[in-house]
This record gives sequence, C-alpha cells and structure tokens, in this order.
Amino acid sequence: AQSVTQLGSHVSVSEGALVLLRCNYSSSVPPYLFWYVQYPNQGLQLLLKYTTGATLVKGINGFEAEFKKSETSFHLTKPSAHMSDAAEYFCAVSEYDYKLSFGAGTTVTVRA
Amino acid sequence: DGGITQSPKYLFRKEGQNVTLSCEQNLNHDAMYWYRQDPGQGLRLIYYSQIVNDFQKGDIAEGYSVSREKKESFPLTVTSAQKNPTAFYLCASSMNSEAFFGQGTRLTVV
Repeated sequence: AQSVTQLGSHVSVSEGALVLLRCNYSSSVPPYLFWYVQYPNQGLQLLLKYTTGATLVKGINGFEAEFKKSETSFHLTKPSAHMSDAAEYFCAVSEYDYKLSFGAGTTVTVRA
Repeated sequence: DGGITQSPKYLFRKEGQNVTLSCEQNLNHDAMYWYRQDPGQGLRLIYYSQIVNDFQKGDIAEGYSVSREKKESFPLTVTSAQKNPTAFYLCASSMNSEAFFGQGTRLTVV
C-alpha cells in the first residue's frame, strides 16, 4: 500500500525567498511521484513528476524536486518565491496501477 | 482543445436526493477517476475505471455509484445514502502515469 505525508499544512514565505515543501512517501514498489498545484476552486495542475531516470526533476514555473530513495522523500523547492506561487500544493504517489494517493496538501502564502 | 470537462461547476442538493455529476474527456484515455476533496484531507479516491464497462471502488465508495458505458464519459451519482456529501469533487483521466484533472464540481447540501 502507498501513502504520502506532507510536513506542514501551511507555509508562509517572503517574496524572493526559498520555497521548500516537504513530502515523504511509503510504497512497496518503486513509485511514481508527483507534485500538483491547485488554485482556489480549480482543478489540479501537474508541476512535475518522477518516474525513472534522473532523480532531480525540473517542472513548470521554476519548481524542482529531488527523489531520494534512501530517505523516501520527494521535496519540492523553488529558489525565489513569487506572489503568483500562492496556492495549495499536493504531493502524490502511484504504483503500477497508476492510482494516485495524495498527501493532505500544503497551503503556501507569499508575503510582499 | 483536449481536456476534461466537469459539469456543473456548482450543484445544490436537497436532503434525500440523488444527484449526478458529469465528467467527459476527449484525451482518449482509458483510465478515469473520481476524487473527493475536503479541507485538510487532500484528495480521496471514490471510484476508478481502467476500461469501458469496468470500474472498481476506491477508498470511500459508500454512498456513491458510477457507470462507464463510453470511453469518454464517467458520471458520478451521489446517492441519498451518502451522509455528508458536501465537498469538492474532481474527475481525472490518465495515461502513461500522468493524470489530468477537470475543474471540479462543488456540491452543497441545502
């Protein structure tokens, strides 16, 4: 069975500061890992994904994440926060059947 | 444009009524999913279908039903047996490990 833990339900950062969102997972097989972003009353948009290959994954809007198998982590970072990054972020894991299991989400606020 | 269309965007249900949420995709994806979203709980899987005329229960299927008669369509019915249906419902489809989401339907019981 797979599960996802996102550390911190709310993160507040200053504009221009580093954004770091933490995600740990459990999976019985090599997982596929994802980060999604959601703006209020909208669907989810894929930021980036890890399936196989390079463990540092670059996504849209300047985000990137690193898969660390030894730590069962897939933390999301962005070097410099922008006001438009204010949203809710979800980490997700899937196994062979492609069903996604989501973390509880982290809401990011950006201070001017 | 290819994508997933959910309708309606907002839906109000009276106690004891069944309501059906629509989900249509033109991405030619085999797999489709329904998720329920509640504040602070992430997304929870209600039902999923990997092929036409076949579907499986997810983690919270009680009080819900689905059908998959066409590849493009995967409607969700919220029945009167669902005791707390007020939530945001998201439909998704997937191929090759990547899922695409609709814009959601917000259901409120009045």
